[in-house]
Amino acid sequence: GAGVSQSPRYKVAKRGQDVALRCDPISGHVSLFWYQQALGQGPEFLTYFQNEAQLDKSGLPSDRFFAERPEGSVSTLKIQRTQQEDSAVYLCASSPLQSSYNSPLHFGNGTRLTVT
Amino acid sequence: RKEVEQDPGPFNVPEGATVAFNCTYSNSASQSFFWYRQDCRKEPKLLMSVYSSGNEDGRFTAQLNRASQYISLLIRDSKLSDSATYLCVVRSYNNNDMRFGAGTRLTVKP
Repeated sequence: GAGVSQSPRYKVAKRGQDVALRCDPISGHVSLFWYQQALGQGPEFLTYFQNEAQLDKSGLPSDRFFAERPEGSVSTLKIQRTQQEDSAVYLCASSPLQSSYNSPLHFGNGTRLTVT
Repeated sequence: RKEVEQDPGPFNVPEGATVAFNCTYSNSASQSFFWYRQDCRKEPKLLMSVYSSGNEDGRFTAQLNRASQYISLLIRDSKLSDSATYLCVVRSYNNNDMRFGAGTRLTVKP
């Protein structure tokens, strides 16, 4: 079946531009996560949704970052007024069951954002 | 202090060697534990879950010590194809999110 799909695969933005990154999770997956991964680092948690509810946004680095999942499926991560330090790979992952703590994450192949 | 900390690495080992990675976590409410593998410029993929009693999957053995808040991964008889970054992942009971360590890079050489 289809895995987690992210688009665009690559994005180059000029400093100050707004960007929107899209994630299509595996159909039926309740949980959706966004991570930011800088070069040579592990993924850093940004935010977590259970269906359409954003249960944790403690990892969003500033108020320039905003995420939504209005219908409980597709999610968009928006970054306003991009800065060079926003350059990273943004990974989306989904997980099937909200109450199964052993459910692993299924990752998309990420969006590589470069801010020039 | 990061919530999940790993051996900094890198580890460079010959084929056939045994190598062990360690990971500690700070949140005592952590509920589930995993090892993920990430190849260069690829997304992380689940290697194995870590169970309380320890578990083995072929050449890979994972151990959990809840009292010490410590997880390990042992790879026996290393193969060239084991070269990757290994990420320790911890999921907490109270907020359900999953936190990653910075990863330990392994290079297996012929």
